[in-house]
Amino acid sequence: GQQLNQSPQSMFIQEGEDVSMNCTSSSIFNTWLWYKQDPGEGPVLLIALYKAGELTSNGRLTAQFGITRKDSFLNISASIPSDVGIYFCAGPPLTGGGADGLTFGKGTHLIIQP
Amino acid sequence: DTGVSQNPRHKITKRGQNVTFRCDPISEHNRLYWYRQTLGQGPEFLTYFQNEAQLEKSRLLSDRFSAERPKGSFSTLEIQRTEQGDSAMYLCASTTPPGQGSYNEQFFGPGTRLTVL
Repeated sequence: GQQLNQSPQSMFIQEGEDVSMNCTSSSIFNTWLWYKQDPGEGPVLLIALYKAGELTSNGRLTAQFGITRKDSFLNISASIPSDVGIYFCAGPPLTGGGADGLTFGKGTHLIIQP
Repeated sequence: DTGVSQNPRHKITKRGQNVTFRCDPISEHNRLYWYRQTLGQGPEFLTYFQNEAQLEKSRLLSDRFSAERPKGSFSTLEIQRTEQGDSAMYLCASTTPPGQGSYNEQFFGPGTRLTVL
């Protein structure tokens, strides 16, 4: 099946720094999704990308759908303490009519030191 | 609160016992998904429903697992004869009907954390 590889696995940064993480796949995705998960909670959708090359922002977050359709990037500018959490990339399979379950990466764990 | 809700939030059981979890999706969502998440991993898809019909099951869903959505609203996930390897967070998600809103924007509940001793 499709697999998503996220890097880095974890990040230790200072408050106010910019953050960059990425997600790659050996196969093509038509949609890329970025979720954030806080401890003890379910993932929450941050940004959805639907077109190769698309660049989309949501406040201090910016994500890009790679031109090869095999990767995506998420940037967070001027990090604040509430940005702490695990960030997952995800995408639906190409087959199955678009209603099937999502494939998730293993996540990037963001830790912010005040 | 109009989000996805799950009960219980935590369940501790002994190996060999049966457990059942419940998910109440957002009311207008006709698609409901179950995922399993183990420590240090992302969620893994188990199964999904469109209304009351179970349309797909992943290979992760062994024959000890069964899910139902009898009236197309809430869903239950039952695990029979639990094993220690079943310890995980079980997440439920729901989506809007096809053609409305953005593609595959699945809204997740807070999960049920299962510990099998």
